[in-house]
Amino acid sequence: GNSVTQMEGPVTLSEEAFLTINCTYTATGYPSLFWYVQYPGEGLQLLLKATKADDKGSNKGFEATYRKETTSFHLEKGSVQVSDSAVYFCALTNFNKFYFGSGTKLNVKP
Amino acid sequence: DTAVSQTPKYLVTQMGNDKSIKCEQNLGHDTMYWYKQDSKKFLKIMFSYNNKELIINETVPNRFSPKSPDKAHLNLHINSLELGDSAVYFCASSQDTRGAAGTQYFGPGTRLLVL
Repeated sequence: GNSVTQMEGPVTLSEEAFLTINCTYTATGYPSLFWYVQYPGEGLQLLLKATKADDKGSNKGFEATYRKETTSFHLEKGSVQVSDSAVYFCALTNFNKFYFGSGTKLNVKP
Repeated sequence: DTAVSQTPKYLVTQMGNDKSIKCEQNLGHDTMYWYKQDSKKFLKIMFSYNNKELIINETVPNRFSPKSPDKAHLNLHINSLELGDSAVYFCASSQDTRGAAGTQYFGPGTRLLVL
């Protein structure tokens, strides 16, 4: 079957710290992988995506690389800001269905 | 010119009432979805429509009935509301190609509180 597992939060960091949020997946075939971000009181927004193995998605200083050999799509950012505080969702799409992880809350303190 | 819009944004109602949430997308997408997000932020898909036809119907009580009058609209009607229906409901849309779901675009959510 298809599923996404991401690290439990909350993750609390100081401003300018390095961020990693782990995401691993189980899927048949060749899924596309996504990271979505949800700011307080808002809907989910696409942060970045990768559609095939070894692709790197990047946006707003965030990066994630599609690793088929480890079935992972970890989210990283070199220097987080207070404005990055949000809930981050890893997701995959396979055929006509989306599968979301449980979300990881990130708190960045000044 | 919001891409995916939902109304109302907030909905407070009594147990046993019937209510509807509306969703519209102006992206020209073929597929629309309803998700339920609980208090722990867990996101669960409820329904998916492609060109007005139901394609995903997860295990959801039959008190929930989606309706798609055209491919730009997907409404959610809930009968006999229960306390456990309190959640944030998100509408989303995507443009699918060759049976593969594309990137999903989400509405701002409807916060439903059942008293």
